[in-house]
Amino acid sequence: DAKTTQPNSMESNEEEPVHLPCNHSTISGTDYIHWYRQLPSQGPEYVIHGLTSNVNNRMASLAIAEDRKSSTLILHRATLRDAAVYYCILENGGTSYGKLTFGQGTILTVHP
Amino acid sequence: DADVTQTPRNRITKTGKRIMLECSQTKGHDRMYWYRQDPGLGLRLIYYSFDVKDINKGEISDGYSVSRQAQAKFSLSLESAIPNQTALYFCATSRGSGRFTDTQYFGPGTRLTVL
Repeated sequence: DAKTTQPNSMESNEEEPVHLPCNHSTISGTDYIHWYRQLPSQGPEYVIHGLTSNVNNRMASLAIAEDRKSSTLILHRATLRDAAVYYCILENGGTSYGKLTFGQGTILTVHP
Repeated sequence: DADVTQTPRNRITKTGKRIMLECSQTKGHDRMYWYRQDPGLGLRLIYYSFDVKDINKGEISDGYSVSRQAQAKFSLSLESAIPNQTALYFCATSRGSGRFTDTQYFGPGTRLTVL
């Protein structure tokens, strides 16, 4: 299965944009890119996912590189509530459909 | 009310005891999952069920068993608990509508300590 690489931690200031990178150089054509986040003392929650095109929703934007070997989760205006561990996950639409493999993620700290 | 509930939320038990963790969902989803999380690590898949009659082992199923009593209920059992099963356990559900990708919804977690 293709793996992802994320920085261990990142910091941001409140109300500033945050760009969380993820490398997935061995991604296959049927791998979907998912982002989940885990707030302190809670279960993970879905943020966004995409396949080839950039995606936007009310929580964030997902920018996918043209070669799909990397992606970036964009939080447009960070709030203190966005402090969490962010997981970039590949889901293979064929062989691993429905199964998520979590790495260690990126710990995002948001400063007031 | 929460869509995915887990009971108990916290449990302390002794080595060798049988433990059952329960998960219920009101989302009407077909698929349910059990994960464990160890400190500082991501989640690892223990078992998953794509419908009531379809149960599959995940990455770390040894020492665990599951039961899918109904579409809405999925239980995880530790037949003889051991200290290295001390962890945070999460249940999740997903719609499983036959598309190529699926979104999972997680419960609040059960903190299990085995002494």
